[in-house]
Amino acid sequence: NAGVTQTPKFQVLKTGQSMTLQCAQDMNHNSMYWYRQDPGMGLRLIYYSASEGTTDKGEVPNGYNVSRLNKREFSLRLESAAPSQTSVYFCASRQGNDQPQHFGDGTRLSIL
Amino acid sequence: QKEVEQNSGPLSVPEGAIASLNCTYSDRGSQSFFWYRQYSGKSPELIMFIYSNGDKEDGRFTAQLNKASQYVSLLIRDSQPSDSATYLCAGIMNNNAGNMLTFGGGTRLMVKP
Repeated sequence: NAGVTQTPKFQVLKTGQSMTLQCAQDMNHNSMYWYRQDPGMGLRLIYYSASEGTTDKGEVPNGYNVSRLNKREFSLRLESAAPSQTSVYFCASRQGNDQPQHFGDGTRLSIL
Repeated sequence: QKEVEQNSGPLSVPEGAIASLNCTYSDRGSQSFFWYRQYSGKSPELIMFIYSNGDKEDGRFTAQLNKASQYVSLLIRDSQPSDSATYLCAGIMNNNAGNMLTFGGGTRLMVKP
């Protein structure tokens, strides 16, 4: 029972490079989310997808794009990476509006 | 902006004591609350949820919800060093984006042997 799977687990990029973070869930959840977590800042929502075919901006969307490829998969793309995007990125999913979110293991991204 | 507030800590308790973690929220209409535990370098893990006023017990954990006072708490009895982690309080709040899960900043708990 995999739950939410994120790839890769670690990545180092140079400034200006592009990268796509992958997320897949096998729980048939409708909603999926991308967060970043920085020391002292807590979880900040980047983008979310309330259902297949829809995506919306969260609290900190600048510099990111997302794609809800199908019900299972929700990817996060950095078109031109910047050092300020060095962070731990978490993908999460949930079934419905009153349900908790379930998190993947995270991607640790460093941008030099 | 609807919020969930937590004291960042660290909260330090001796092994075997009761750890009390607290959280307040701004949206009086919120109905559902969750506690997540996050070990250093790991992802948040759901440990408790509570939807009704009062107490909910699960093993050594008790979640408490007081909607009139708009606070949620988590009690950990017989605290163990393995309970040392950051605890995130989250509530479902209705904002412009619909019913979104809003997280507090987390309280770091340290249980000393």
